[in-house]
Amino acid sequence: SQQGEEDPQALSIQEGENATMNCSYKTSINNLQWYRQNSGRGLVHLILIRSNEREKHSGRLRVTLDTSKKSSSLLITASRAADTASYFCATEGNQFYFGTGTSLTVIP
Amino acid sequence: DAGVIQSPRHEVTEMGQEVTLRCKPISGHDYLFWYRQTMMRGLELLIYFNNNVPIDDSGMPEDRFSAKMPNASFSTLKIQPSEPRDSAVYFCASTRRGSYTFGSGTRLTVV
Repeated sequence: SQQGEEDPQALSIQEGENATMNCSYKTSINNLQWYRQNSGRGLVHLILIRSNEREKHSGRLRVTLDTSKKSSSLLITASRAADTASYFCATEGNQFYFGTGTSLTVIP
Repeated sequence: DAGVIQSPRHEVTEMGQEVTLRCKPISGHDYLFWYRQTMMRGLELLIYFNNNVPIDDSGMPEDRFSAKMPNASFSTLKIQPSEPRDSAVYFCASTRRGSYTFGSGTRLTVV
């Protein structure tokens, strides 16, 4: 089945910097979600944004959604070494899609 | 809630053997998904169920793969016969429209 596209595929930043990841999708959606996966572990839900929302915050996370462009971004502010993980977007509509993921490395 | 429970956590088997992976979703969740994750292909949706009925199995790689959900609290993914290229981490996830909850995965190695 088709998946969303995420960019960049990999991102390496210094601790304290902000990290931005983008996700594009192809169909109309009810909501979009972001997940985090630490190496060797399952995916953990971070935040959900509904199709009628444009921006949402949760702690150091900020998610935006542009349904006209079928895209979303995840911003992690003041990154920490512990944020090192892979981040996935997932969309829910008539079908369920997962993105290909962005591998984030935060260098202490 | 114990979350989504998968078993076994690790499975090593010889090529040609049958492998059965198990999943117990969260009570009340009416969607169940099976995913496969490899370095080469990333996270792939294999099949998903709604109210125990398979809805989309277009991601199942070939006839060697089959999945069942006999009731709301149990699902299996079977590979018969297994091949080395089936080596991957297999995740089960459940949801009731909203965020998914993933299991810890089964790491399958076929030698």
